[in-house]
Amino acid sequence: GQQLNQSPQSMFIQEGEDVSMNCTSSSIFNTWLWYKQEPGEGPVLLIALYKAGELTSNGRLTAQFGITRKDSFLNISASIPSDVGIYFCAGHQGGKLIFGQGTELSVKP
Amino acid sequence: GAVVSQHPSRVICKSGTSVKIECRSLDFQATTMFWYRQFPKQSLMLMATSNEGSKATYEQGVEKDKFLINHASLTLSTLTVTSAHPEDSSFYICSAPPTSGAFGGTQYFGPGTRLLVL
Repeated sequence: GQQLNQSPQSMFIQEGEDVSMNCTSSSIFNTWLWYKQEPGEGPVLLIALYKAGELTSNGRLTAQFGITRKDSFLNISASIPSDVGIYFCAGHQGGKLIFGQGTELSVKP
Repeated sequence: GAVVSQHPSRVICKSGTSVKIECRSLDFQATTMFWYRQFPKQSLMLMATSNEGSKATYEQGVEKDKFLINHASLTLSTLTVTSAHPEDSSFYICSAPPTSGAFGGTQYFGPGTRLLVL
């Protein structure tokens, strides 16, 4: 099925560094969502974006809904070890969510 | 708010048996719920949309007779894997959008059910 192009696929960073990941699509989405999934758990919603150009923060996380409605990015500032996990973007289209491939984040203390 | 639970969290069964997985929205009602499957190191793939009071809608390539879905109430959907085989072993996750309000597509996910078929 259709997927979003999410990059990078994985990141290995030092604690305290900032992180940036993004998703792009050839299709327009009405909503962009960012989730975090830890091993053996379901995805947890981090940020929801509903309007093109919208910039939203949740603590150290900031995400933006691209003006073209075809892309979104997620930034994590001052990373800490508990940020470890897989981050997924998801676009809402036709009543369904379409997911990116995920970005696996590893943080070295 | 917006808590979704799943039961069981993990199940091991013999090949040929059927397994039922429950998905509940604990603090909101959901006329629609979604069932996903996730293989190791892969993304979530939508299997079907569960609709309260009507038949489920299955994604292309998903066998409806193998993955039976029943949306019994506004807070409960069940997925039954019939005649399970080892290739059905996977992580099954449900999600639900809150019914009320302009949720804009937001879905809240359950904790997942790990199925291992021997």
